[in-house]
Amino acid sequence: GAVVSQHPSWVICKSGTSVKIECRSLDFQATTMFWYRQFPKQSLMLMATSNEGSKATYEQGVEKDKFLINHASLTLSTLTVTSAHPEDSSFYICSARSGLAGGQVTQYFGPGTRLTVL
Amino acid sequence: AQKITQTQPGMFVQEKEAVTLDCTYDTSDQSYGLFWYKQPSSGEMIFLIYQGSYDEQNATEGRYSLNFQKARKSANLVISASQLGDSAMYFCAMRGGWRGGATNKLIFGTGTLLAVQP
Repeated sequence: GAVVSQHPSWVICKSGTSVKIECRSLDFQATTMFWYRQFPKQSLMLMATSNEGSKATYEQGVEKDKFLINHASLTLSTLTVTSAHPEDSSFYICSARSGLAGGQVTQYFGPGTRLTVL
Repeated sequence: AQKITQTQPGMFVQEKEAVTLDCTYDTSDQSYGLFWYKQPSSGEMIFLIYQGSYDEQNATEGRYSLNFQKARKSANLVISASQLGDSAMYFCAMRGGWRGGATNKLIFGTGTLLAVQP
């Protein structure tokens, strides 16, 4: 099946610094990419949806100035956590799909990035 | 609004036995898709099975089958002949139908932690 990679797989940073997470679709063109956040023992919560070449659409309650998303190409999306604080520590998962929405358009997930802010 | 409900926070099953993981959903869309994902301790989301709202037959993929009862709005996952490697978190998810201009989002239930006992 399709492969989505994330880098880094884990990162530890100091409070106040910014962290960039990369998400790549390795063998297909991802017209849409999604960023999720998962706290321990909880479900995945959608943060934002991005389409290549356009601004991301953020879910209610997600600060767009704090979580910067760039979907510059059909194979790469980045999430930058700006001025990270300990409460931003979480597991961030990206997901990618190709084509239009609806039907059995499979959404592939990256392996996740565990962010720990000290 | 769409909603996915998984009422079983955890389940035990004996190896080689079958287990059913419950999932109910709520949506006003006529067309939608239902998904099950497996998340082992490594964190990656593994796609298991898909059921379209207009599919008349229940989906099956190897040892996985989806018991789709549209009138009851349920989409339970059945795992036959459980294996130790099936121990993981299982998430039910739904994506609504296409609305012109909207990007369809995959929303997740809270998950069920399955433990397979030898």
